[in-house]
Amino acid sequence: GNSVTQMEGPVTLSEEAFLTINCTYTATGYPSLFWYVQYPGEGLQLLLKATKADDKGSNKGFEATYRKETTSFHLEKGSVQVSDSAVYFCALSDQAGTALIFGKGTTLSVSS
Amino acid sequence: EAQVTQNPRYLITVTGKKLTVTCSQNMNHEYMSWYRQDPGLGLRQIYYSMNVEVTDKGDVPEGYKVSRKEKRNFPLILESPSPNQTSLYFCASSPRTGDGQFFGPGTRLTVL
Repeated sequence: GNSVTQMEGPVTLSEEAFLTINCTYTATGYPSLFWYVQYPGEGLQLLLKATKADDKGSNKGFEATYRKETTSFHLEKGSVQVSDSAVYFCALSDQAGTALIFGKGTTLSVSS
Repeated sequence: EAQVTQNPRYLITVTGKKLTVTCSQNMNHEYMSWYRQDPGLGLRQIYYSMNVEVTDKGDVPEGYKVSRKEKRNFPLILESPSPNQTSLYFCASSPRTGDGQFFGPGTRLTVL
């Protein structure tokens, strides 16, 4: 079945450091891939998405590239800020498009 | 402002006392869904709806009911809540299946 695996957290970085959060997936067909962010006490917000192989999603300095050959969708940011501290979820849309399959989430903590 | 709203945001109740969590979206989205978020288990889909009067089970539907009488509303009903339904619940909507979903702020439910 479909599944998403994210790197375990927490990830602790200093401000302006480079961020990578790994995400790999297992799915039939060609799912759409997403990154969501959850700030403390809030709901999930769509951060970026990619719908086909080699697509690059980007938003707010975050990027992720849909790599079909490695079944990966790693999240990157060149210079993190304290305000980026949150939980990040990788997700895929199942083949029918009726559900999002989420990874367990990765907590990012950025200190000044 | 485009949004998904949920009420109540917090609820403490007792076993067996029927409750309803409301969800409403103002974006004219066809697709709506309910998820629960539990530590160590991530987000799991409870029910979804592809349009008015069309609903279907997700991964964890036991103990829940939903209805979709109007496009904007998708209430979650717990007829006889039990302690294992203590969780954080999110409603989500999207223009169509397979799109990125917009999430509500969440409802934290405690069943004693």
